[in-house]
Amino acid sequence: KNEVEQSPQNLTAQEGEFITINCSYSVGISALHWLQQHPGGGIVSLFMLSSGKKKHGRLIATINIQEKHSSLHITASHPRDSAVYICAVPNTGNQFYFGTGTSLTVIP
Amino acid sequence: NAGVTQTPKFQVLKTGQSMTLQCAQDMNHEYMSWYRQDPGMGLRLIHYSVGAGITDQGEVPNGYNVSRSTTEDFPLRLLSAAPSQTSVYFCASSWGRREPQHFGDGTRLSIL
Repeated sequence: KNEVEQSPQNLTAQEGEFITINCSYSVGISALHWLQQHPGGGIVSLFMLSSGKKKHGRLIATINIQEKHSSLHITASHPRDSAVYICAVPNTGNQFYFGTGTSLTVIP
Repeated sequence: NAGVTQTPKFQVLKTGQSMTLQCAQDMNHEYMSWYRQDPGMGLRLIHYSVGAGITDQGEVPNGYNVSRSTTEDFPLRLLSAAPSQTSVYFCASSWGRREPQHFGDGTRLSIL
């Protein structure tokens, strides 16, 4: 049983397209995290959100606590957005549940 | 500002060898953790620490040891390397257990 499910697993888009990545979770949470893993392997935290919406540049993250669902949107996608995007939720202990990631490729 | 520094970046070991993966952070974070990342699977927690002198097991602790003698350092020891431990290892730190984590660049480890 996966506590965190992401879709799609793989996504290819043309430069400029609007992109949506989805995350569904089955546990009660206080906050949800979106991470980005670059092709070189490094991982950075993009957002932590517990309600509503957050925006950083062309990236927008939304969460619906009642539906246990979050989305990550990328507006005007660019090849440099190509990466793996990972959703993570903390459990009641000291750990996180991680999704397996969505691999995004943006073609020029 | 270095953030989280992991060494080495790459390592090849023979079955049965031991080694230590180093992790250091300069942000005075209390919470540190080690993950492994395998193809088709999400990050899995090996061990974590909520402060100097305090460590605990994660989801996949077998074959690994950790210690936390200082706030800055959190080394991961492979006691007797096995091919199943071939993976990419990430160290991370944060202010609290549910706060955004800062990740190191990872260590690619191959066990022959």
